[in-house]
Amino acid sequence: QVQLVESGGGVVQPGRSLRLSCAASGFTFSNYALHWVRQAPGKGLEWVAVISYDGSYKYYADSVKGRFSISRDSSKNELYLQMNSLRVEDTAVYFCARDLKWLDRFEPWGQGTLVTVSS
Amino acid sequence: QSVLTQPPSASGTPGQRVTISCSGSSSNIGSNALNWYQQLPGAAPKLLIYSNNQRPSGVPDRFSGSKSGTSASLAISGLRSEDEADYYCAAWDDSLYVYVFGPGTKVTVL
Repeated sequence: QVQLVESGGGVVQPGRSLRLSCAASGFTFSNYALHWVRQAPGKGLEWVAVISYDGSYKYYADSVKGRFSISRDSSKNELYLQMNSLRVEDTAVYFCARDLKWLDRFEPWGQGTLVTVSS
Repeated sequence: QSVLTQPPSASGTPGQRVTISCSGSSSNIGSNALNWYQQLPGAAPKLLIYSNNQRPSGVPDRFSGSKSGTSASLAISGLRSEDEADYYCAAWDDSLYVYVFGPGTKVTVL
């Protein structure tokens, strides 16, 4: 079955870096765009970034532009989110999700990985 | 401040019909497909309605969506206890070049 599994979350100090991974299985990875979406504790969903099926297009939310970088490795069926200059307000559960139609809808979503930015 | 607006909460008794509204603008709902996601407590979101009014396989027909201009709505008929969840509307925004989610509506079954 189609599955996405995030990893790499943890506790990190403000200003430091962290890299999240999302392992995909059950579908042809190189055919689909992928997104990162986050959810701060007790808050709603916030879209973070998207990468096209071939990695040629990348878009970011203004809140992370210049600090976060999305990438993918089709040889490993993995999606990444490199997060630099982390801020307290980046604390959230980060979900990866498969794009079913370019910039339209996502399904499925992974279970999420928690990132806590705290001194 | 969300680009899309939704009521923070909605409620009903079992069997009732509940409707959730979602309002946006010409650059998001007005020009792109509107999708709804359901997030059950402690779970990841799940696609509930896509392309304004289409249900993915496995979603009960108690859930229906509609769109008119820059507004959309989600209706849940025959409300059941397992429908207690947060519901988010979402669409791509052609002006901001971001995917926008509404703030979410918490549905409570009384």
